[in-house]
Amino acid sequence: DGGITQSPKYLFRKEGQNVTLSCEQNLNHDAMYWYRQDPGQGLRLIYYSQIVNDFQKGDIAEGYSVSREKKESFPLTVTSAQKNPTAFYLCASSILTLYGGSSEQFFGPGTRLTVL
Amino acid sequence: GQQLNQSPQSMFIQEGEDVSMNCTSSSIFNTWLWYKQEPGEGPVLLIALYKAGELTSNGRLTAQFGITRKDSFLNISASIPSDVGIYFCAGPLHGSSNTGKLIFGQGTTLQVKP
Repeated sequence: DGGITQSPKYLFRKEGQNVTLSCEQNLNHDAMYWYRQDPGQGLRLIYYSQIVNDFQKGDIAEGYSVSREKKESFPLTVTSAQKNPTAFYLCASSILTLYGGSSEQFFGPGTRLTVL
Repeated sequence: GQQLNQSPQSMFIQEGEDVSMNCTSSSIFNTWLWYKQEPGEGPVLLIALYKAGELTSNGRLTAQFGITRKDSFLNISASIPSDVGIYFCAGPLHGSSNTGKLIFGQGTTLQVKP
């Protein structure tokens, strides 16, 4: 079964702690993305990666960090510097065309992070 | 920055009714994507459109790529309770650097009364 998995589904964190959210895909997609979704709002891009060992900041990267050591994996760390981390986090992946343009993005089931 | 404007923001309809929602932008798009997100889950791709004027169906769903390339429409016929969710439009901007990035609308929340 091909797809994107995110773990855990629910995560609780104390203020001041770093926490890492997992994202794995077995679709052989080149590009991976992290989004943040707040209640009643759309998706905002945190980081994205088009190739292993390379990634770029999205629109709201402050307080977050990522790594892309393997094609299949793109973990997101929410650091203590993120002022308001409670949100629903979505990981996605896509193939890239010959010209590097986007194709459809496919999403994981999401991780709901709550800071206590 | 660039934006996609979705309307209506929310809809509350009776089961069996048809639904229509749209997405507009001041910029040109060369692809339009429509996603559905159920509560607590990730968005699922419903329909992808690649050509201006294209009309594509997926069961009771029909989507159109506007001729001007600045808008798209999604229609749901004979709604049922499981159509409940948030519907997002998305697309890459024409002429933008080839990063794979998408822009998403704010979503249309659909509620269906049995």
